[in-house]
Amino acid sequence: DIVMTQSPDSLAVSLGERATINCKSSHSVLYSSNNKNYLAWYQQKPGQPPKLLIYWASTRESGVPDRFSGSGSGTDFTLTISSLQAEDVAIYYCQQYYSTPLTFGQGTKLEIK
Amino acid sequence: EVQLVESGGGLVQPGGSLRLSCAASGLTFSSYAMNWVRRAPGKGLEWLSYISNSGSGTHYADSVKGRFTISRDNAKNSLFLQMNSLRAEDTAIYYCARGGVSGYLLDSWGQGTLVTVSS
Repeated sequence: DIVMTQSPDSLAVSLGERATINCKSSHSVLYSSNNKNYLAWYQQKPGQPPKLLIYWASTRESGVPDRFSGSGSGTDFTLTISSLQAEDVAIYYCQQYYSTPLTFGQGTKLEIK
Repeated sequence: EVQLVESGGGLVQPGGSLRLSCAASGLTFSSYAMNWVRRAPGKGLEWLSYISNSGSGTHYADSVKGRFTISRDNAKNSLFLQMNSLRAEDTAIYYCARGGVSGYLLDSWGQGTLVTVSS
């Protein structure tokens, strides 16, 4: 199984400041035949289902604000929120969809400082 | 707009069974793989099972293999999860999720249904 490890577990950032969440996989999720990283980021707010933010490590889902960006390749990935808004308070998860069992990181709780 | 609505959750005793359903609308259901994911209280997301668009292919997490069975009825735009031999640690909110690109990218989610396993 591919183990996904996020850091930090929790993060407090001031409004308007940058938030950075890291995700490391125990095995590369870069598929050589198409040069795509099978890595997604999800946002889950209290009482709501998860929402897909980023896929292929850096492609924003339709409707996701451009303050959200994803980067990285192979085994190391980052989700960046360039200017934190109050509505971004949530738990963020990375997930690999390279192979089954699909696996998620443990989650990073993002709060306002 | 894609809509996924889960139902069938509730309180069940350890060792009991439940069948969850997920009604899909706003999509050509038979074109998409589907998945079940859960979130236990105080824990993170856990993928449970996948079924291909035709229903011919399935995958399971080790934690539920042999106890849970995923199925679908494309004529009724419905996804199911039959859960047997339930344990306290199966207590969670259960979500159905559409498999987008590759079948494993979870690009649309239902609101979830709560399953509580307790005596």
